[in-house]
Amino acid sequence: DIQVTQSPSSLSASAGDRVTITCRASQSVRTRLNWYQQRAGKAPILLIFGASNLLNGVPSRFSGSGSGTDFTLTITSLQPEDFATYYCQQSYTTPRTFGQGTKLEIK
Amino acid sequence: QVQVQESGPGLVKPSETLSLTCTVFGGSINDHYCSWIRQPPGKGLEWIGFIFGSGTTRYNPSLQTRVTMSEDTSKNQFSLKMRSVTAADTAVYYCACTILGTDMDLQYWGQGTPVTVSS
Repeated sequence: DIQVTQSPSSLSASAGDRVTITCRASQSVRTRLNWYQQRAGKAPILLIFGASNLLNGVPSRFSGSGSGTDFTLTITSLQPEDFATYYCQQSYTTPRTFGQGTKLEIK
Repeated sequence: QVQVQESGPGLVKPSETLSLTCTVFGGSINDHYCSWIRQPPGKGLEWIGFIFGSGTTRYNPSLQTRVTMSEDTSKNQFSLKMRSVTAADTAVYYCACTILGTDMDLQYWGQGTPVTVSS
């Protein structure tokens, strides 16, 4: 299985801040890396696919980059609705695997 | 806009079989593949497997001896069966479907259905 490691596991920030979450795969997944947002008590939603492609309707303050084994999710100018848990996931092969999650909390 | 909805019993006894259904609205299952994902209380996401409308399946090796997925094209539904459940299978179970031919994965999620394994 491809292991996917996310960091940090938690992050405190204020509205208006810029934050970056990283994801590292145990072997190359090319650009088959996706990011999901999960608000408390809700299902995850797909934000970014193919490492850097924003799903239609996702605000442009979200961006993703990377290829191979190292990826980042950046959120600029944090909004109140962005405080949630974020997961990365590789879709290069099966079994699909997720990072452990990063909980973004209000400072 | 495709919508996905999970359904099934919320309580299953240990050693019995968990059975869930995923209904796709606003699109044909023949144009999608659907994954099952679960999330134990307070924990992260675990991929269980996926199934295409053609019936092709892939399962997580950690669960494949207990899991079977199937499709019913007449009802536009996919189903998940997990045998010999234990308390460790207590989780919210999600169905997430993706249109074929894109680079996306887990595109449309259901709201999730909580399952508790307890006698």
